[in-house]
Amino acid sequence: AQSVTQPDIHITVSEGASLELRCNYSYGATPYLFWYVQSPGQGLQLLLKYFSGDTLVQGIKGFEAEFKRSQSSFNLRKPSVHWSDAAEYFCAVGAPPGRRALTFGSGTRLQVQP
Amino acid sequence: DTGVSQDPRHKITKRGQNVTFRCDPISEHNRLYWYRQTLGQGPEFLTYFQNEAQLEKSRLLSDRFSAERPKGSFSTLEIQRTEQGDSAMYLCASSGLAGGPSSTDTQYFGPGTRLTVL
Repeated sequence: AQSVTQPDIHITVSEGASLELRCNYSYGATPYLFWYVQSPGQGLQLLLKYFSGDTLVQGIKGFEAEFKRSQSSFNLRKPSVHWSDAAEYFCAVGAPPGRRALTFGSGTRLQVQP
Repeated sequence: DTGVSQDPRHKITKRGQNVTFRCDPISEHNRLYWYRQTLGQGPEFLTYFQNEAQLEKSRLLSDRFSAERPKGSFSTLEIQRTEQGDSAMYLCASSGLAGGPSSTDTQYFGPGTRLTVL
């Protein structure tokens, strides 16, 4: 069965600083990978996704992520963080063909200092 | 279309009562999913519909839980005899354009229904 690990429960960065959120997955074949963001009390908003092709994917709000098969990682990056980026970030892996469930990591809470 | 909607947004109930939640997916989507999210955790898959057919259920979906999607549009999730452990955020998502490739589905989530069982 697939699994996702987000090693950092909580990260604090200063506004304007760069950001990298880590995501490691376990899956036997080529994974479908997603990053979602959740503001307090809200649903999940899709930031970006990887299905195949170019391993560096661009998303909304200036985020990007890089798929590294050799490291089983799909880390999320942003060159300059804004105060409005404070939220919880979830990495997810798509299910094998025939199943539709996404498997999520436990999330990383991002705090942005002024 | 304004996305996936869920009703109610918040529900407080007493242990032992039944509750029902509704999800309206993005209108052109034919797949609908339910997830549960407890505090400090990522969402966990409960069940999935393609049109009106319920194709997959998680082991998390006990006998007290039932989900329907009678006309392949909106869906309801009912919890009978609620327990305090059912307190969570219940998220609905939809995906899949009819006739489109299923292997690259992207799920779009609603705002969730927060259930508190006293």
